[in-house]
Amino acid sequence: AAGVIQSPRHLIKEKRETATLKCYPIPRHDTVYWYQQGPGQDPQFLISFYEKMQSDKGSIPDRFSAQQFSDYHSELNMSSLELGDSALYFCASSLDRGNEQYFGPGTRLTVT
Amino acid sequence: AQSVAQPEDQVNVAEGNPLTVKCTYSVSGNPYLFWYVQYPNRGLQFLLKYITGDNLVKGSYGFEAEFNKSQTSFHLKKPSALVSDSALYFCAVRDWAAGNKLTFGGGTRVLVKP
Repeated sequence: AAGVIQSPRHLIKEKRETATLKCYPIPRHDTVYWYQQGPGQDPQFLISFYEKMQSDKGSIPDRFSAQQFSDYHSELNMSSLELGDSALYFCASSLDRGNEQYFGPGTRLTVT
Repeated sequence: AQSVAQPEDQVNVAEGNPLTVKCTYSVSGNPYLFWYVQYPNRGLQFLLKYITGDNLVKGSYGFEAEFNKSQTSFHLKKPSALVSDSALYFCAVRDWAAGNKLTFGGGTRVLVKP
């Protein structure tokens, strides 16, 4: 079965640079979620979209923005990167907002 | 606010023995409860969920979990653990009143020894 696709899988950036992470949900899934997992930590919710509209907002820094496009894929844009942004970024998708979320393999961002 | 607690950082069990991973939760409304498993350098894999109905939920790979409303718990169990079950397990809760987000517990590392 098709899974959530994230690209790139690994990304190395320097401080103050920008990064764009992409997420392609499971076909027919209309809800996308972004989570950040720091080293040795549990995933923290950043933001979610339902039918291309932002539906929930968590602990997402103002330097980050995200959107969901007409084909339901989503992009997380990160600017003025800081060392503390180094983490594993997961995208998840679900069919409607009430169902279980299926996670992608994650993008490992390293800021140097 | 919703929260999840996994009181054990690590659980060690011998292969073939029962495995239990503990989880307690706190929500203001009705809880939707989930268990996910994470293998090294991999994403989270969905194991099972409790939405409503029977308190005993069966999931993937022989795992099951029991919802206990009075104790606000949702412990994950497997009757006979395998070495391949060694991984990081996360309990998560979603409170309808709080929107779509999942709130995760701190995770429990399971080590199954041959």
